[in-house]
Amino acid sequence: QSALTQPASVSGSPGQSITISCTGASSDIGGHDYVSWSQQHPGKAPKLIIYDVSKRPSGVSNRFSGSKSGNTASLTISGLQAEDEADYYCGSYTSSSGGFVFGTGTEVTVL
Amino acid sequence: EVQLVESGGGLVQPGGSLRLSCAASGFTFSRFWMHWVRQVPGKGPEWISHINTDGTTTNYGDSVKGRFTTSRDNGKNTLFLQMSSLRAEDTAIYYCARDVGWNQADYWGPGTLVTVSS
Repeated sequence: QSALTQPASVSGSPGQSITISCTGASSDIGGHDYVSWSQQHPGKAPKLIIYDVSKRPSGVSNRFSGSKSGNTASLTISGLQAEDEADYYCGSYTSSSGGFVFGTGTEVTVL
Repeated sequence: EVQLVESGGGLVQPGGSLRLSCAASGFTFSRFWMHWVRQVPGKGPEWISHINTDGTTTNYGDSVKGRFTTSRDNGKNTLFLQMSSLRAEDTAIYYCARDVGWNQADYWGPGTLVTVSS
């Protein structure tokens, strides 16, 4: 199972909005609404910020939102803040194996 | 508060074996599917295994299938990963994680480092 494709890096100024894409296939993103996004700061474990394409766990800021169209999912961070600087990974259930596939990861830089 | 704490990592020679544990607290462990995920520092995570609530169903990623075995002890709120025939490419931080539905993970432990080297 190949990793989902994400841009290597995205940057934005404080207060701006940025969008990270995640491209897969019909066996994963395109075929199911079980897409998640995780945030990872250096030296820390990943933290779930979006699941089921667009749901936010309790305690996660509403500045984070998710969507999906076809085989591509997207994470939008609005009102960018310095604390949002981190690596972001998408992931999806995959029916080809019954497992889970992660994305290649995107480094977000706040200018 | 949900807590997951992995242990058992360390240095092991190629071809060797290692058993990881994950102690769970703050939630009803027996009601949740659980996962093992690994990550090479500087790289993206890789899902390697899941187990259902009563331990009767497991699934593995292709890279570990036939070499790793996941199990659980609901009486002790503990998840296990038995790793054998270890290779240099198994070197990574190993995380246990709780399932929030369809293999998506909501809570992760801090991870334990496994290094396979002679």
